[in-house]
Amino acid sequence: GAVVSQHPSWVICKSGTSVKIECRSLDFQATTMFWYRQFPKQSLMLMATSNEGSKATYEQGVEKDKFLINHASLTLSTLTVTSAHPEDSSFYICSARYPGEGAFFGQGTRLTVV
Amino acid sequence: DQQVKQNSPSLSVQEGRISILNCDYTNSMFDYFLWYKKYPAEGPTFLISISSIKDKNEDGRFTVFLNKSAKHLSLHIVPSQPGDSAVYFCAASEDPGFGNEKLTFGTGTRLTIIP
Repeated sequence: GAVVSQHPSWVICKSGTSVKIECRSLDFQATTMFWYRQFPKQSLMLMATSNEGSKATYEQGVEKDKFLINHASLTLSTLTVTSAHPEDSSFYICSARYPGEGAFFGQGTRLTVV
Repeated sequence: DQQVKQNSPSLSVQEGRISILNCDYTNSMFDYFLWYKKYPAEGPTFLISISSIKDKNEDGRFTVFLNKSAKHLSLHIVPSQPGDSAVYFCAASEDPGFGNEKLTFGTGTRLTIIP
């Protein structure tokens, strides 16, 4: 199946700093990618839809100034958690829809803010 | 408001037997349904999907059944194998076609296959 690569797999950062997470579609072009967040023992919650060449669409309750999304090319979307706080610690996952098949997900990024 | 629900947080099944995972939804606009398998600290892996125009889709050991009138779908795994032990998420989308769509996930069911 299609491959979506997410980097880094895990990151620890200090409160107040910013962290960038990359999501790449390795063997196909993705005009749209999605960013999800998963809290422990909970479902994946959609944070935002990332559209290549335009502004991301954020779900209700997600702070767009805190979670900056940039979809600069057909194979790369980035999520930047700005001014990170401990409550931002979570598992972040991106996905891209491969036409004709199900959505493919990256490996996820475990963010820990200390 | 949980639009996709998996009411069984966990399920244990003997190896070789059938595993049946259930999922209910409330949004009648959902038109496409998917099942994912997820290990801890990894992204979900796509298993199988079904369009609302079908009531069954089969792929190897995995079969998904859709009862649209009951807003219910189920994933059958037979025979169950130890490697099937994972958390399974069902997901739904309002987009029946390809391209842009966002998924609404259920809360997951942890499946444990007993050797």
